[in-house]
Amino acid sequence: EAQVTQNPRYLITVTGKKLTVTCSQNMNHEYMSWYRQDPGLGLRQIYYSMNVEVTDKGDVPEGYKVSRKEKRNFPLILESPSPNQTSLYFCASSSPSLYNEQFFGPGTRLTVL
Amino acid sequence: AQSVAQPEDQVNVAEGNPLTVKCTYSVSGNPYLFWYVQYPNRGLQFLLKYITGDNLVKGSYGFEAEFNKSQTSFHLKKPSALVSDSALYFCAVRDPASGGSYIPTFGRGTSLIVHP
Repeated sequence: EAQVTQNPRYLITVTGKKLTVTCSQNMNHEYMSWYRQDPGLGLRQIYYSMNVEVTDKGDVPEGYKVSRKEKRNFPLILESPSPNQTSLYFCASSSPSLYNEQFFGPGTRLTVL
Repeated sequence: AQSVAQPEDQVNVAEGNPLTVKCTYSVSGNPYLFWYVQYPNRGLQFLLKYITGDNLVKGSYGFEAEFNKSQTSFHLKKPSALVSDSALYFCAVRDPASGGSYIPTFGRGTSLIVHP
């Protein structure tokens, strides 16, 4: 089954404790991206990757890092989480065409205390 | 630059009535437009898209959307709403002329509530 998986689905942590949210897709997609979803703000892009070792900032990259060492994986790293990073995070992937829709993971709900 | 607006935070409709969720866009060229739906505690799912051709696009779950270039709109419609259609709906746009990434810009989302 074609899918995007994220782990963990739920995470409660404390300020400053480094964490990683994993994202993996099995569709051989070149493009992957991370979004955060906040009430009243909709979806905002954090980082995206157009292929292995190619990443770029989205609209709200501050406080986040990403890496793309393999095509299927695109982890999101919070080196020193802060309470304003409490949010719902989605990973998405798509093939390299402007015509194609994105496939989304189930989301990771992060709470930073 | 590309942008998209969903002017209504919430739309309420009675079951069986037609529904419309509005979306307007701004691009420098011809837009590629998408609608996604998010059910509670789930990720976004693709509903339909407009790339070119017929202005009326049909998608999943009985939804359709009408592309109107003069009004720069891409409203989502369904002739008869179901309670199970209650969800959060996102419009998204890509501008092929922007020269940027392949990642679209999303609207803020519209919460659709269908009352029994």
